[in-house]
Amino acid sequence: SYVLTQPPSVSVAPGQTARITCGENNIGSKSVHWYQQKPGQAPVLVVYNDSDRPSGIPERFSGSNSGNTATLTISRVEAGDEADYYCQVWDTTGDHPRVFGTGTKVTVL
Amino acid sequence: EVQLVESGGGLVHPGGSLRLSCAASGFTFSRYNMNWVRQAPGKGLEWVSYISSSSSTKYYADTVKGRFTIARDNAKNSLYLQMNSLRDEDTAVYYCARVGYGGNWFDPWGQGTLVTVSS
Repeated sequence: SYVLTQPPSVSVAPGQTARITCGENNIGSKSVHWYQQKPGQAPVLVVYNDSDRPSGIPERFSGSNSGNTATLTISRVEAGDEADYYCQVWDTTGDHPRVFGTGTKVTVL
Repeated sequence: EVQLVESGGGLVHPGGSLRLSCAASGFTFSRYNMNWVRQAPGKGLEWVSYISSSSSTKYYADTVKGRFTIARDNAKNSLYLQMNSLRDEDTAVYYCARVGYGGNWFDPWGQGTLVTVSS
């Protein structure tokens, strides 16, 4: 399967803004979803359909998607936001389904 | 409360078989498409397989095609993954995940079940 390209790591100080990108040719034409995964836990949906938030997810989490890059933005970062983040699309065209990004480890300094 | 609970993981020898189950509760299971996703130790998420609500459509990752079979029993609110010809590289935590209604996001996820393939 092809994968969506994410930076391996992002470091951010508490209170600052973290931006995590997800790259794929013409990803702006697809719906992108984002998951947070803390060690030893199952992934949790934090943004769906590019920019919608599930109930219970803080407004600090936001998303955008245009052209070849989708972005998850975490504003006013807190220590509890330290986790792995994955983008996801659902693209079964062709012989190779594309689903998850490579993942980004967010470290809060 | 919407809940997914996986079971059936364990230690199996290479070439062996295992059947995973995912018990769903708190929602009308028969209305939702479902997926299996796995995560090898220290690695990222890898989508494994998809099944539509009526079982009419199924997809598999290339890495498991021909060896794994996804199935569901809507009367029992259960999802299954039959895994045959297991390889070392199939070692992972296996999650079941519900597809969002009318969309294609995964929510919620179960807690996962560990499959270890080793001699």
